[in-house]
Amino acid sequence: GAGVSQSPRYKVTKRGQDVALRCDPISGHVSLYWYRQALGQGPEFLTYFNYEAQQDKSGLPNDRFSAERPEGSISTLTIQRTEQRDSAMYRCASSATRESSYEQYFGPGTRLTVT
Amino acid sequence: AQSVTQLDSQVPVFEEAPVELRCNYSSSVSVYLFWYVQYPNQGLQLLLKYLSGSTLVKGINGFEAEFNKSQTSFHLRKPSVHISDTAEYFCAVSDSDTDKLIFGTGTRLQVFP
Repeated sequence: GAGVSQSPRYKVTKRGQDVALRCDPISGHVSLYWYRQALGQGPEFLTYFNYEAQQDKSGLPNDRFSAERPEGSISTLTIQRTEQRDSAMYRCASSATRESSYEQYFGPGTRLTVT
Repeated sequence: AQSVTQLDSQVPVFEEAPVELRCNYSSSVSVYLFWYVQYPNQGLQLLLKYLSGSTLVKGINGFEAEFNKSQTSFHLRKPSVHISDTAEYFCAVSDSDTDKLIFGTGTRLQVFP
């Protein structure tokens, strides 16, 4: 079946612009996670959802970052007033149930470059 | 807070040689441990996981890892590597109370012919 998809795959934006990154999880998966990966680093947790409820947003770096999953399926990560330090790979993952959250399936990521 | 340390940023090895990628974690509670692989321009793929039970876990592509609670380690091994194993490998930990994964900084495995 189809895996986790993310769009766009690449995004170049100018400093100060807003960007929206989309994640389409595996059909039927309950949990959805967002991670950010800087060059040469491992992925770093940002936030996650069970269904449409945001369970933990402790990893969002500041209030320019927000995420939503209004219908419990597709999720959008929005970065307002982008800064150069926001440049990174943004990864989305999903898992089938809350109890199986350790089985996270990752999408290909969105490479964000802020110029 | 939990953390994961991958001691080697790069590991060069010749084809058909054995390899070990090291991972240490810090946690005072029960943990789940994972190894993910990232091939160029692809997403992260789960190689193997330790949840409970046998400390030796086998994964895909001939990889295995051993959970050592006393040394808080979860090293990844393969007895004979192939060129196609060239990739970035990430060790990760989560605990039974949270749902997020904490990743190490990764180890770049480069297999030479």
